[in-house]
Amino acid sequence: GAVVSQHPSWVICKSGTSVKIECRSLDFQATTMFWYRQFPKQSLMLMATSNEGSKATYEQGVEKDKFLINHASLTLSTLTVTSAHPEDSSFYICSAKTSGANVLTFGAGSRLTVL
Amino acid sequence: GENVEQHPSTLSVQEGDSAVIKCTYSDSASNYFPWYKQELGKRPQLIIDIRSNVGEKKDQRIAVTLNKTAKHFSLHITETQPEDSAVYFCAATYNAGNMLTFGGGTRLMVKP
Repeated sequence: GAVVSQHPSWVICKSGTSVKIECRSLDFQATTMFWYRQFPKQSLMLMATSNEGSKATYEQGVEKDKFLINHASLTLSTLTVTSAHPEDSSFYICSAKTSGANVLTFGAGSRLTVL
Repeated sequence: GENVEQHPSTLSVQEGDSAVIKCTYSDSASNYFPWYKQELGKRPQLIIDIRSNVGEKKDQRIAVTLNKTAKHFSLHITETQPEDSAVYFCAATYNAGNMLTFGGGTRLMVKP
């Protein structure tokens, strides 16, 4: 079945540094990738939608300059949390789908802890 | 966009009992309704889905029902087992099927 690999699974960084999270579709072409943020015991909050080769569409309230998303190929999307602060600490999950498909495949998530 | 409400937020059942989780949606154009199971610290996994041209779908102990008129759908788990304990999310499509909105999640606890 479809597999999405997300890396790193856990990262701890100092306040002010930037962190890049990668999301790769291993056996299918992901025309669309989604990035979510999940707080403890809460639902998945969609941050942005990225289509290969075009700019990401951000949800209301999500700072595009803070959360940089790049979807340069059909198998890779990256989320960069710039100048991270403790309030950015969260679980970030990506998902991917192919064109015309409804089914989403999720990455394993990345837990970001900003000290 | 789509608005998906999910109830209850927590559900505790005894092993062997049935569990039912209900969701309502707002966009009548939604036509795809997946259910995901998420264990602590892990990725959501698709467990069952249903499309709008079907009223019910079953896969072993799991079943999903859809009422398009009332715009609600439900997940039914029979003969629950401790390993069913997890958070379950319903979702519904919008934007011509290109987007999914998730419900708030239900934390299911199955007591042995």
